[in-house]
Amino acid sequence: QKEVEQDPGPLSVPEGAIVSLNCTYSNSAFQYFMWYRQYSRKGPELLMYTYSSGNKEDGRFTAQVDKSSKYISLFIRDSQPSDSATYLCAMSTGGGNKLTFGTGTQLKVEL
Amino acid sequence: GAVVSQHPSWVICKSGTSVKIECRSLDFQATTMFWYRQFPKQSLMLMATSNEGSKATYEQGVEKDKFLINHASLTLSTLTVTSAHPEDSSFYICSADLSGGGGEKLFFGSGTQLSVL
Repeated sequence: QKEVEQDPGPLSVPEGAIVSLNCTYSNSAFQYFMWYRQYSRKGPELLMYTYSSGNKEDGRFTAQVDKSSKYISLFIRDSQPSDSATYLCAMSTGGGNKLTFGTGTQLKVEL
Repeated sequence: GAVVSQHPSWVICKSGTSVKIECRSLDFQATTMFWYRQFPKQSLMLMATSNEGSKATYEQGVEKDKFLINHASLTLSTLTVTSAHPEDSSFYICSADLSGGGGEKLFFGSGTQLSVL
């Protein structure tokens, strides 16, 4: 079993839709949870950063962490074609910034 | 945000040759840098942690004699793939740690696509 599980997609939605992306994990020591956006053949770009359980909102993006269920989510409201990318979840225990990534979910927002 | 520059962005080489990839933090000093490898439709896999002025720490299964890492200054880390073979073809990404915290201050380079013929 992988430490972090993420549905690879692809996920195709119409413009304006609400997108829900999810990851599950097995290591209860993870405390820091991140979502990255990666365009094809580019480095990941940090979207959201959350410590421990709870919700965090930033513009059209909302990140949720449920440590009791070992489950994290990223919601994108009013999705745009420019949101089309691969979304990676990542986690760390906090020691030294060593991140464990999910496989990424490929999202396509269509006009 | 902070900028991490990675060069080259794309390289093709013959089997058996060595390739050097550079990772620079442009507007901050990074005591620690990380090197990842990403195969198509797969996750980023941490290869090694590079610490300025000391030997790199390699993840299990990564050959330290094949993937040479040098972190000679606070703004530059290099990854040299020695005697490259086609199975080394991959997307290599570096990241630099600004603060040493849990991940919020971690910035990624734009990646290097290595193709070994």
